[in-house]
Amino acid sequence: AQTVTQSQPEMSVQEAETVTLSCTYDTSESDYYLFWYKQPPSRQMILVIRQEAYKQQNATENRFSVNFQKAAKSFSLKISDSQLGDAAMYFCAYRSNSNYQLIWGAGTKLIIKP
Amino acid sequence: GAVVSQHPSWVICKSGTSVKIECRSLDFQATTMFWYRQFPKQSLMLMATSNEGSKATYEQGVEKDKFLINHASLTLSTLTVTSAHPEDSSFYICSANEPSRTGQPQHFGDGTRLSIL
Repeated sequence: AQTVTQSQPEMSVQEAETVTLSCTYDTSESDYYLFWYKQPPSRQMILVIRQEAYKQQNATENRFSVNFQKAAKSFSLKISDSQLGDAAMYFCAYRSNSNYQLIWGAGTKLIIKP
Repeated sequence: GAVVSQHPSWVICKSGTSVKIECRSLDFQATTMFWYRQFPKQSLMLMATSNEGSKATYEQGVEKDKFLINHASLTLSTLTVTSAHPEDSSFYICSANEPSRTGQPQHFGDGTRLSIL
């Protein structure tokens, strides 16, 4: 069975600086997707970034980028120029291509210091 | 972009009553929807997978008779918490797969905060 591990329950960063959130996963499949979702205090689930496993190039969305290491089964999220609005819970998630169910990490609470 | 509407956003009711939560895909047809429960400061816990026109698939430990799921159309799934008790108080979130788009992205409702007195 697939698992997703986020080993950082909480991270803090100074506004305008860069922070990296860690995520590792375990799977025997070769074709899958990885996601980072943001959940602010409003509790909406907001998709931050998505990575297809077959793509070697790391996904990027404005200030958000990932470091996808397929062999190491690692999928970290880098947030550049952190802003106060980035404060939220961040969840890493895995989804295989054969089953559309998302497997979730425990989440990392990101605190932005002004 | 694709939107999933979840209603109500907040409900307070007395112990013993039943509560229905609706999840609608507004601009796409969703053959598969998911229902999650989230406890404070925890991750999302999948309760069940709802497939249009068939019975829901429940995760281990989720009471089928307590949490009734109906997915009668391609745009609507409902979760009914029957004879609700204080321990059922939680945050419930639905999501829906958009099958017509590459990668079948999953879209989330805004959640329902359920409080049972």
